Amino acid sequence: GAVVSQHPSRVICKSGTSVKIECRSLDFQATTMFWYRQFPKKSLMLMATSNEGSKATYEQGVEKDKFLINHASLTLSTLTVTSAHPEDSSFYICSAKGLGETNEQFFGPGTRLTVL
Amino acid sequence: KNQVEQSPQSLIILEGKNCTLQCNYTVSPFSNLRWYKQDTGRGPVSLTIMTFSENTKSNGRYTATLDADTKQSSLHITASQLSDSASYICVVSRYILTGGGNKLTFGTGTQLKVEL
Repeated sequence: GAVVSQHPSRVICKSGTSVKIECRSLDFQATTMFWYRQFPKKSLMLMATSNEGSKATYEQGVEKDKFLINHASLTLSTLTVTSAHPEDSSFYICSAKGLGETNEQFFGPGTRLTVL
Repeated sequence: KNQVEQSPQSLIILEGKNCTLQCNYTVSPFSNLRWYKQDTGRGPVSLTIMTFSENTKSNGRYTATLDADTKQSSLHITASQLSDSASYICVVSRYILTGGGNKLTFGTGTQLKVEL
């Protein structure tokens, strides 16, 4: 099956610093990648959708200058949380979609971000 | 409004017992419905995906049903195991009429705990 990896799996940083999270599709080309945020015992919330080589589309209420997304290749997308604050602490999950009838999204294992 | 509601919110069962999780949705226009298993601190893993014409689909001890007329789905777990303890998320995909593509609406999940 399709495999999506994320790195790092956990990160702790100080307030004011920036953190980069990588999302890779390991065995398929991802035409579209999605970034989600999940709070404890809550559902996944879509933050943005990125297509390779073009600017990401952000959901309403998500600050694009705070959550920078780069989708430079068909196998890699990055999410950078800039000037992180404690309220940015969350579980960030990416998913990737290739071409196919069901347009199924394959999820990464997630990244736990803790901002001190 | 496009919504996915799941019940129960949480469930505790004894190992070896069966259980059924429910999902009601108001998402339209409907594309497909997926059930995911999400272990704590991990990304969701797909269990089943059903399109409009499919009433039931099995994946090992997991059997999903879909009634597109009443907009209801269920996930039945047979002979539960301790490793089944996780959050089970119902996700409904809808077509985006303008611009094309699909968009996912996530349920809040049912937290299942299997005990000895």
